Amino acid sequence: RKEVEQDPGPFNVPEGATVAFNCTYSNSASQSFFWYRQDCRKEPKLLMSVYSSGNEDGRFTAQLNRASQYISLLIRDSKLSDSATYLCVVNKGGGNKLTFGTGTQLKVEL
Amino acid sequence: GAGVSQSPSNKVTEKGKDVELRCDPISGHTALYWYRQSLGQGLEFLIYFQGNSAPDKSGLPSDRFSAERTGGSVSTLTIQRTQQEDSAVYLCASSEGVWQQETQYFGPGTRLLVL
Repeated sequence: RKEVEQDPGPFNVPEGATVAFNCTYSNSASQSFFWYRQDCRKEPKLLMSVYSSGNEDGRFTAQLNRASQYISLLIRDSKLSDSATYLCVVNKGGGNKLTFGTGTQLKVEL
Repeated sequence: GAGVSQSPSNKVTEKGKDVELRCDPISGHTALYWYRQSLGQGLEFLIYFQGNSAPDKSGLPSDRFSAERTGGSVSTLTIQRTQQEDSAVYLCASSEGVWQQETQYFGPGTRLLVL
């Protein structure tokens, strides 16, 4: 079983739609959680950290459920510019080594 | 300000040759990381450096891989006797420290192709 699992997609959605991505992680000792965004042939960039209380940044909302070892990302009012691969990322502790999921591809269409 | 830079952008080499990949972290960042991303795979941690501490090499896949960081700044990842399975994008990242919520800033990567 992979340490971080995501549905690879692609998710094809119309502009303005709401889309949700889910991710599960296997190590219950994991301590911090992130969503990164990666555009085609570009480097990953931090989208947002994920906290147990849930957090929101504009159109983006992230949730963490430690009991179920589950992380989610909700994107409201999708824009064409949101098209990218979204990487679920976990820090297991013992340093700042990140473990990445393989990513979920989002395509926002007119 | 300047971000993380890596060179070369692309490298094509023959099986069995050695390659060196370079990373210049963001100025003032004490932590530096190497990851690799193979086709269809997630990013895989290789090694990280924090200040003057011994590097965490736990992710290096074999003893053909090594890295050093000189003067607490520039880092070089060396792959000896390259194999075709080493073909991947090698990404370097840096952060101000190693606190677990520290943002890691990635460079554009070096695309390595081993023929």
